[in-house]
Amino acid sequence: AQSVTQLGSHVSVSEGALVLLRCNYSSSVPPYLFWYVQYPNQGLQLLLKYTSAATLVKGINGFEAEFKKSETSFHLTKPSAHMSDAAEYFCAVRVSGGGADGLTFGKGTHLIIQP
Amino acid sequence: SAVISQKPSRDICQRGTSLTIQCQVDSQVTMMFWYRQQPGQSLTLIATANQGSEATYESGFVIDKFPISRPNLTFSTLTVSNMSPEDSSIYLCSVDGGGANVLTFGAGSRLTVL
Repeated sequence: AQSVTQLGSHVSVSEGALVLLRCNYSSSVPPYLFWYVQYPNQGLQLLLKYTSAATLVKGINGFEAEFKKSETSFHLTKPSAHMSDAAEYFCAVRVSGGGADGLTFGKGTHLIIQP
Repeated sequence: SAVISQKPSRDICQRGTSLTIQCQVDSQVTMMFWYRQQPGQSLTLIATANQGSEATYESGFVIDKFPISRPNLTFSTLTVSNMSPEDSSIYLCSVDGGGANVLTFGAGSRLTVL
C-alpha cells in the first residue's frame, strides 16, 4: 500500500521568501505524485503532477516540485512567496494508473505567509 | 477537465437523521470517488463507485453507514445515515479528468451534525 508523509503541519514564511513544503512517499511501484491546494472554504485545485516524464515539474502560480526517486521525495517549492499563497497544501500519491484506485493524501501543510 | 457539481454545498442536520449528497459531472466517467475531510484533517477515501456495480468501500467505511448509488455515468449519490456529530465533515466527490491520472474534485458538501 502506498502512503504519503508531509513534514510540518504548519509552515510560516515571509512574503518574498522561498517556500519549501516537504513530501515523502512510500510505494511498491512507480508512483504518480500530485500537489493540490485548498484555499479557505474552497475545494481542491491541482497545482502540479508527476507522471514519470520530467523529474522537475512546473505547476500553476509559480510552484514547482522535483521527483527524487533515491530520496522518495516530491518537495514543493516556490522562489518567492505571495500573500495569496496562504492555503492548505496536500501531497498525494496514486499508483494504479488504471483509474481503479483513488488518491492517497498526506495530512496536509498549512502555509502561512507573514507580511 | 470535468466539471463537478455537488449538492448541497452545506447543511446542518440533526443527530439520527440521514442526508444524501449528489454529485453531477458534465461528462461521462467510469469511476467516481467519494472522500471525507474531517475538520482540520486530510482527505480520506470512503469508496469508489463504478456504474453498474456495487461500490467498493475502504477499510473503516461500510455500506450501511454510507450507501452509494451510481445510476449512470454522470451521476452519483452518497448518503450519510443515522448521523452523529462525528460525521461532521466535508464530503467531496472526485472523478478522473484534467490530465492523465489526475483527479478533479467538486467543491464539497460541508455537513454539520448537531
